[in-house]
Amino acid sequence: AQSVTQLDSQVPVFEEAPVELRCNYSSSVSVYLFWYVQYPNQGLQLLLKYLSGSTLVKGINGFEAEFNKSQTSFHLRKPSVHISDTAEYFCAVAPINAGNNRKLIWGLGTSLAVNP
Amino acid sequence: DAEITQSPRHKITETGRQVTLACHQTWNHNNMFWYRQDLGHGLRLIHYSYGVQDTNKGEVSDGYSVSRSNTEDLPLTLESAASSQTSVYFCASSDAGVADTQYFGPGTRLTVL
Repeated sequence: AQSVTQLDSQVPVFEEAPVELRCNYSSSVSVYLFWYVQYPNQGLQLLLKYLSGSTLVKGINGFEAEFNKSQTSFHLRKPSVHISDTAEYFCAVAPINAGNNRKLIWGLGTSLAVNP
Repeated sequence: DAEITQSPRHKITETGRQVTLACHQTWNHNNMFWYRQDLGHGLRLIHYSYGVQDTNKGEVSDGYSVSRSNTEDLPLTLESAASSQTSVYFCASSDAGVADTQYFGPGTRLTVL
């Protein structure tokens, strides 16, 4: 079975500062990794995903994440945040080659609050 | 443009009533999912479908049912609404495999009094 831990439930940060949202996972098999973002009063949308290849993945809105297999982590980073980045961020994983499974395993989310 | 819609966006109902939440996607996706989102619990999977006539229970399926009669729609029914089912409900769809992006609807906020 897989599990996802988002290490911070809330992250306050000032505008133009860098930010890192941490995600660790547990799995006995290889996984795909995802970050989704939920802006206030909206549904979720994909920020980025790691399927294979380069472990540094670039997504929308200037975000990037690095897959670290040895530390089973997939931390999300942005060098300079804007007020508009205020949102809930979800990390998710899915086992590779797990038969017909098409479900994701979700973390509980990290609330990013960008202050002026 | 393809989209996924949910209706109603807001619903207030009474305990014991049957409620149906609609989800409609025009992506022609095989997979559809229903989640509920509650503070402190993140997203929890209620039911999901991998195609027409296919439905499966998720981790919090008690008190909910779904049916998939066509590709576009996966309505979620609360058989007898309970106050514990007050939540925000999201529908999502994805194309085929687990690596495919899930596209989410805007959500339905349900209050059970």
